[in-house]
Amino acid sequence: AQKVTQAQTEISVVEKEDVTLDCVYETRDTTYYLFWYKQPPSGELVFLIRRNSFDEQNEISGRYSWNFQKSTSSFNFTITASQVVDSAVYFCALSEGGNNDMRFGAGTRLTVKP
Amino acid sequence: DSGVTQTPKHLITATGQRVTLRCSPRSGDLSVYWYQQSLDQGLQFLIQYYNGEERAKGNILERFSAQQFPDLHSELNLSSLELGDSALYFCASSGRVSSEDTQYFGPGTRLTVL
Repeated sequence: AQKVTQAQTEISVVEKEDVTLDCVYETRDTTYYLFWYKQPPSGELVFLIRRNSFDEQNEISGRYSWNFQKSTSSFNFTITASQVVDSAVYFCALSEGGNNDMRFGAGTRLTVKP
Repeated sequence: DSGVTQTPKHLITATGQRVTLRCSPRSGDLSVYWYQQSLDQGLQFLIQYYNGEERAKGNILERFSAQQFPDLHSELNLSSLELGDSALYFCASSGRVSSEDTQYFGPGTRLTVL
């Protein structure tokens, strides 16, 4: 069965620091999809990125970047020059092809202090 | 704003009662998913409907049931409520039935069972 591990429960940084959130996944499928979601203090879940297992290209979107490495089963998320508004819980999630049961990691709570 | 709406935002009820949570998917989306977020269990997939038909089941208790109506809105029914059912319940929607689709989440319904 698929599994997602976010070993970092909480991270605290000072504004403008770079921070990397780790995500390690387990799956037996060769076709799968990885996601990152952000849950700010207001509580909603905001979609950030989707990556399929056949696309190992790293992605950059503004201050956000994602590093997908199949060799280590990791899909890490880096925020460059963090801002207070980045404070939230970040979830990594995995869907296997043909299985609509998306599994979430436990989440990493990021606090960015001014 | 994801385009997914959920009502009510908050619900407070007593043990043994029954409640109904409502979700309207994004315009054009045919799939609706329900998730439960609790402190001890994290984010858990409950059930998926696609165009009115149940398509996938996760860790959904027998006391819980859901349905999707012809207008594609969905309802999650929780009965014989227990203290442990207190949680944030999310609805998400996607365009197709496939696990590769990005799920967009609603703002959630916070259920408190006293």
